[in-house]
Amino acid sequence: EPEVTQTPSHQVTQMGQEVILRCVPISNHLYFYWYRQILGQKVEFLVSFYNNEISEKSEIFDDQFSVERPDGSNFTLKIRSTKLEDSAMYFCASSPDSPNQPQHFGDGTRLSIL
Amino acid sequence: QKEVEQNSGPLSVPEGAIASLNCTYSDRGSQSFFWYRQYSGKSPELIMFIYSNGDKEDGRFTAQLNKASQYVSLLIRDSQPSDSATYLCAVNEVYGNKLVFGAGTILRVKS
Repeated sequence: EPEVTQTPSHQVTQMGQEVILRCVPISNHLYFYWYRQILGQKVEFLVSFYNNEISEKSEIFDDQFSVERPDGSNFTLKIRSTKLEDSAMYFCASSPDSPNQPQHFGDGTRLSIL
Repeated sequence: QKEVEQNSGPLSVPEGAIASLNCTYSDRGSQSFFWYRQYSGKSPELIMFIYSNGDKEDGRFTAQLNKASQYVSLLIRDSQPSDSATYLCAVNEVYGNKLVFGAGTILRVKS
């Protein structure tokens, strides 16, 4: 069964450094998402992406964050100048051809900021 | 701020029993509703989705939706120890491009 793949599984970064999280969505899906989950808390929406542009973003997704689809398969989340509070699990998800359809999640990247 | 509320639990049921998980949502115009299972340290795994009022069954799982009451539930029949996990209710807002998640209900199935 097709799946969303994320790399790396664990990223350790010094505070203030830039980090790029990578995702390969399911191949025929058109909508892509990033969510995060701080330990012990809810899954929170960050950003949705469709037709090569951001379709919606949350208050969390400030100028520190950016997303890109550099080629036909990868979808990346960049965090510039990381902060301690950015430590969380980051999940990529994709859905077929409507945002109302089920979103399928990758295994996540655990980001630890030191 | 759109909210999705769940009882945090833990909900403890004996093996073979029916587990009933509940969720309420605040956005009356929401149109799609999802249940995800999340094991500790893992990602959300889609279990069920429902769009229309009534019941939807898939194997041991039944999702129930009542839009008038803004209420979604998940029934797990013949509960197994492997069903022990956190169950997340998620709602897609009207015209929204995102899921709003509840905090999840911890389910423990005791053998």
